Amino acid sequence: DTGVSQNPRHKITKRGQNVTFRCDPISEHNRLYWYRQTLGQGPEFLTYFQNEAQLEKSRLLSDRFSAERPKGSFSTLEIQRTEQGDSAMYLCASSFERYTGELFFGEGSRLTVL
Amino acid sequence: GENVEQHPSTLSVQEGDSAVIKCTYSDSASNYFPWYKQELGKGPQLIIDIRSNVGEKKDQRIAVTLNKTAKHFSLHITETQPEDSAVYFCAALYNFNKFYFGSGTKLNVKP
Repeated sequence: DTGVSQNPRHKITKRGQNVTFRCDPISEHNRLYWYRQTLGQGPEFLTYFQNEAQLEKSRLLSDRFSAERPKGSFSTLEIQRTEQGDSAMYLCASSFERYTGELFFGEGSRLTVL
Repeated sequence: GENVEQHPSTLSVQEGDSAVIKCTYSDSASNYFPWYKQELGKGPQLIIDIRSNVGEKKDQRIAVTLNKTAKHFSLHITETQPEDSAVYFCAALYNFNKFYFGSGTKLNVKP
């Protein structure tokens, strides 16, 4: 399967701990997006990369969140000092810039902060 | 930025009936409008899309229409089946690089 892969699929952590999620995009896709989704809502933009460059970061993203995409391949999203309000599904998606669209999502990483 | 509104939030239909979900967007510069289906515990799956130079697109039982003047687009599902039950999201591509999503429609198809 060559789709977008995310892990872990589920993460339960205590408030104040750090967590890291990994995303492996479709191999030929140069754009990678992170979205957050809470129950009953649509995906909310967090940040996106073109190759290894992080081109935009949502103002909703606090300083506790950081994302990287070394060498333009996989990406990681780290949340430091987690809070209960961080509980959500974190979705990764990728696309191939040339076609300006066709965003493909992974299955998501669900975070529960106790 | 872009603002995408979607309605209804829930829709219940009898198997075999049609379902229509509507979205509006705010920025006339948005030029690509995909629709996603999300099943419980899974990521959104692209089911159909339309670009701003096209007014309608059809793929078997699903179709999407776009009215650029009014800035709205709709998803039409005909001959609904129980397996169509899911949450559907519309989205708009803004500035060629960022997608904005509607809040979702939970479709329930009753057998």
